[in-house]
This record gives sequence, C-alpha cells and structure tokens, in this order.
Amino acid sequence: NAGVTQTPKFQVLKTGQSMTLQCAQDMNHEYMSWYRQDPGMGLRLIHYSVGAGITDQGEVPNGYNVSRSTTEDFPLRLLSAAPSQTSVYFCASSYGGQGINEQYFGPGTRLTVT
Amino acid sequence: KNEVEQSPQNLTAQEGEFITINCSYSVGISALHWLQQHPGGGIVSLFMLSSGKKKHGRLIATINIQEKHSSLHITASHPRDSAVYICAVASNQFYFGTGTSLTVIP
Repeated sequence: NAGVTQTPKFQVLKTGQSMTLQCAQDMNHEYMSWYRQDPGMGLRLIHYSVGAGITDQGEVPNGYNVSRSTTEDFPLRLLSAAPSQTSVYFCASSYGGQGINEQYFGPGTRLTVT
Repeated sequence: KNEVEQSPQNLTAQEGEFITINCSYSVGISALHWLQQHPGGGIVSLFMLSSGKKKHGRLIATINIQEKHSSLHITASHPRDSAVYICAVASNQFYFGTGTSLTVIP
C-alpha cells in the first residue's frame, strides 16, 4: 500500500493563480481531510469528506474548494492564490470521521504564494 | 481561543532521560491522538486513546477524561526521538495543539 500520497511536494504560485493539490489514498478510507500548518499554530482543518460525493467545510475554508468523486481521491483547489495561503498542506484519511480511528497523513505540500 | 494547549513548547533532554509532554483541552472529545512530526515534515500517529493508558515500546500515553488532560511519556530517550509531538482531540472536528519540539542530545 502506498498509503496517502500528495503531489506536488513543493509549489510556488503568483498571486491570483489557481492550482490543484492532489491527494490520493489506497486504503479504502471513507474519511479524508485537508489541513494547513502554519508556524506557531496547530494544524487547521480546511475541508473534509465522509465519503464519495460528500464534502463539508472545516475551520478555514475560504479560498479553497474540494470535491470527492471517488473514494480514493480528494483534490484541494486554490481558486485565486493569495500570499496568506502560503503554508504547508497535509491531506489525511481514516476509516471513520468520528476521530476514533487512526489518521494517516500524506507527506505534505509546501506552497509559497508570491 | 485554543481548544488544545500543550506544554512545554520546547524541550531539550540528555539521552536516557525520562520525558513528559502535557496536553490540556477544553472541549468534549471522543478520542485524543498523539502524533509525531519528523524533522522532514511527515506526520505519523503514535496513539489514539479515549480512556486510561496505552504503551508502545518506550512510549506511554495517559488520559484523564475528568481533568481533560493527557500526558505523553518517553522512557530512556534517544536522539532518534527528536521530533515535534502534537496532541489532537476529536470533537465536532479535530483540534490540534501547536506541538512540543523535543531535542534529545547524545
């Protein structure tokens, strides 16, 4: 099993550009989520999904869009990048969404917006 | 308002020392997770617990639901334990602490 994979590992964008961060898991997990990690702050939830076709907003959803067309994939779209979106992004998955199952994290994507 | 508070923020220890990292939270939870973030950035799950105590090798995690407090202990610390340790609680969503940066010196 590859676990949770994320691409790209690094990305530099100019303000106003759009892009998609890819996330995939091969463990047949129902629950997938996106977090951002900023210095001095804990991981913060951007969006999550409890299954294919179902997504919901987390703590910091503004400026991001997600979709879940398959169980395996959960891409995160930046609609119009802003310097405030410079961060490290982690995708995670687990069997269930109640937090009572182990979360598996991807390796992260370091995004810089200039 | 921080739903999860960790202490200390930074910790330096000599190899072999017993280490304790504390986590306090303010929300109702279904479970508490301890995570380890390696210097390269990857995050792995160490423990998930909703009551009592769990042990895995030299690592021990405890939780007191009434006091809303958890501790992570590392016995006989080793330089390879150097990492950031993150406490996370599962409530209506996940809330994460800011992490404890541990450095173990040979």
